[in-house]
Amino acid sequence: AQTVTQSQPEMSVQEAETVTLSCTYDTSESDYYLFWYKQPPSRQMILVIRQEAYKQQNATENRFSVNFQKAAKSFSLKISDSQLGDAAMYFCAYKDFGNEKLTFGTGTRLTIIP
Amino acid sequence: KAGVTQTPRYLIKTRGQQVTLSCSPISGHRSVSWYQQTPGQGLQFLFEYFSETQRNKGNFPGRFSGRQFSNSRSEMNVSTLELGDSALYLCASSLGGPSTEAFFGQGTRLTVV
Repeated sequence: AQTVTQSQPEMSVQEAETVTLSCTYDTSESDYYLFWYKQPPSRQMILVIRQEAYKQQNATENRFSVNFQKAAKSFSLKISDSQLGDAAMYFCAYKDFGNEKLTFGTGTRLTIIP
Repeated sequence: KAGVTQTPRYLIKTRGQQVTLSCSPISGHRSVSWYQQTPGQGLQFLFEYFSETQRNKGNFPGRFSGRQFSNSRSEMNVSTLELGDSALYLCASSLGGPSTEAFFGQGTRLTVV
């Protein structure tokens, strides 16, 4: 069974600074997808960024980028120029190719310090 | 384009009762998945429906069931409620293809007393 591990329950960062959230996963599959979701106090899960395992290039979405290390099964999220609106729970998630089931990590609560 | 809509947003039920939660996916999405979120267990997959058929099921007791209608709307039912069923229930919809993304609703907060 696939597992996703987020070892940082809480992180904090000064506004405008950069922060990196860690995620590791375990799978025997070669084709899969990885995601970072954000869950603000409104509770709605919002997709931040996705990575296809077959792509070597790291995904980037504006201030958000990932460091995907397939051999190490590591998938970290870097948030640049942190903003107050970035404060939320961040979940790393895994999905097999051809399967809709998402396996989530336990989440990292990110606090932005003004 | 409307997002994923879950109703009701909040529910309070008594132990032993049953409850039905509803999820309306994004127009055109044929896959609907359900997740349970609790402080202790985190986010856990319940099941996924695609074109009215259950395609995948998580490790939950048979008290948890679901269905999907021809318009892709989905319902989740929990019978004989237990205190431990108190949770945020999240619904996600997607087109259902191999590389499609899941979009989540705001969830239904169920409290069992």
